[in-house]
Amino acid sequence: SYVLTQPPSVSVAPGQTARVTCGGDDIGSNTVHWYQQKPGQAPLLIVYEDSDRPSGIPERFSGSNSGNTATLTIRWVEAGDEADYYCQVWDKTSDNYVFGPGTKVTVL
Amino acid sequence: QITLKESGPALVKPTQTLTLTCAFSGFSLSSRGVGVAWIRQPPGKAPEWLALIYWHDDKHYSPSLRNRLTITKDTSKNEVVLTMTNMGPLDTATYFCTYTLLRWNWFDPWGQGTLVTVSS
Repeated sequence: SYVLTQPPSVSVAPGQTARVTCGGDDIGSNTVHWYQQKPGQAPLLIVYEDSDRPSGIPERFSGSNSGNTATLTIRWVEAGDEADYYCQVWDKTSDNYVFGPGTKVTVL
Repeated sequence: QITLKESGPALVKPTQTLTLTCAFSGFSLSSRGVGVAWIRQPPGKAPEWLALIYWHDDKHYSPSLRNRLTITKDTSKNEVVLTMTNMGPLDTATYFCTYTLLRWNWFDPWGQGTLVTVSS
């Protein structure tokens, strides 16, 4: 089955840029979606189809996907961005929706 | 506005069958392209997709759990039901239902989730 990898944690100072990576075999041939999850809450879709944002999601959140790595970029990080971030793809080979293990973003 | 809400037992015993209900509003599961999925998340771990049902009753299951899962819909009640047999401690998780469309392969929005603990 298809496996996604993410760094367990990323730390960033307020106002700086955080980058969360999602690795997978030729992930660039897939479309990647990103979710933000704060403690006690359901996951929230923040990026879909590699780089599109649902309405209401700030432009500070952006995504890219190429080769074996997809990246979620959070610019001008705020304290409220502290959360777990998960990438997700659909593996058409197994008809399975796969989530990455998650990255905890800590705002210093 | 699309909303979904999960309900079911908070505690089940090992080997029992879990039945969860997702009650939704803001859309109809008889509308072309509409789907509802179940996703679970063990404490401190990543979400795991379980099952998905579309408006035309097409059903999809996690390859690793398909022999334990059944997903059904009641269009008149705006509900989707998930059953999972032979529950064990590793099935302890928060169970979410979510909205999707046939042309998507992502999920949005999600219900608030319901925590199910498996323990004797």
